[in-house]
Amino acid sequence: AQTVTQSQPEMSVQEAETVTLSCTYDTSESDYYLFWYKQPPSRQMILVIRQEAYKQQNATENRFSVNFQKAAKSFSLKISDSQLGDAAMYFCAYRSEAAGNKLTFGGGTRVLVKP
Amino acid sequence: DTAVSQTPKYLVTQMGNDKSIKCEQNLGHDTMYWYKQDSKKFLKIMFSYNNKELIINETVPNRFSPKSPDKAHLNLHINSLELGDSAVYFCASSQDLGAAGGPKSYEQYFGPGTRLTVT
Repeated sequence: AQTVTQSQPEMSVQEAETVTLSCTYDTSESDYYLFWYKQPPSRQMILVIRQEAYKQQNATENRFSVNFQKAAKSFSLKISDSQLGDAAMYFCAYRSEAAGNKLTFGGGTRVLVKP
Repeated sequence: DTAVSQTPKYLVTQMGNDKSIKCEQNLGHDTMYWYKQDSKKFLKIMFSYNNKELIINETVPNRFSPKSPDKAHLNLHINSLELGDSAVYFCASSQDLGAAGGPKSYEQYFGPGTRLTVT
């Protein structure tokens, strides 16, 4: 079974600065998808970014980018130019076709943004 | 336009009662899911349905029964509610099987969640 680990329960960043959230996963599959979701206090789950395992190029979405290291099974999220609205819980998720396309989530990292 | 909607958003009930949570998606997706988020924010899959067929049943007590009347709806019925059932329940949908020439989206789109409190 796949497992996803987020080792940082909480991260704090100054507004306009950069913060990196770590995520590692365990799998024996070669083809899969990885996601980062944001959950603000409203509790809505918002997709931030996705990465296909077969792509070597790291995904980027505006101020959000990932560092995908397939051999190391690592998938970190970098938030650049942090804004107050970035404050939220961030969840790393692994999607397995072999397991019925379910998402396996990490435990989450709370991001605090200081003005 | 709400893509994935859930009703109710809040549900407070007593132990032993039976309750249902409804979910609807207007994205035309073929797969729907139920996830449970516990008090420590941990999210875990419960069920998934593809075109009304049960695909995933992740060791959930028999008191939980999903029902999919059509591919746009996936409801969750819970019998004999217990204190430990208190959590936020999320519905999600995705396009997991590409129709001929059609795209797969892979991303799962979540509803707003239903906070269930059992007293």
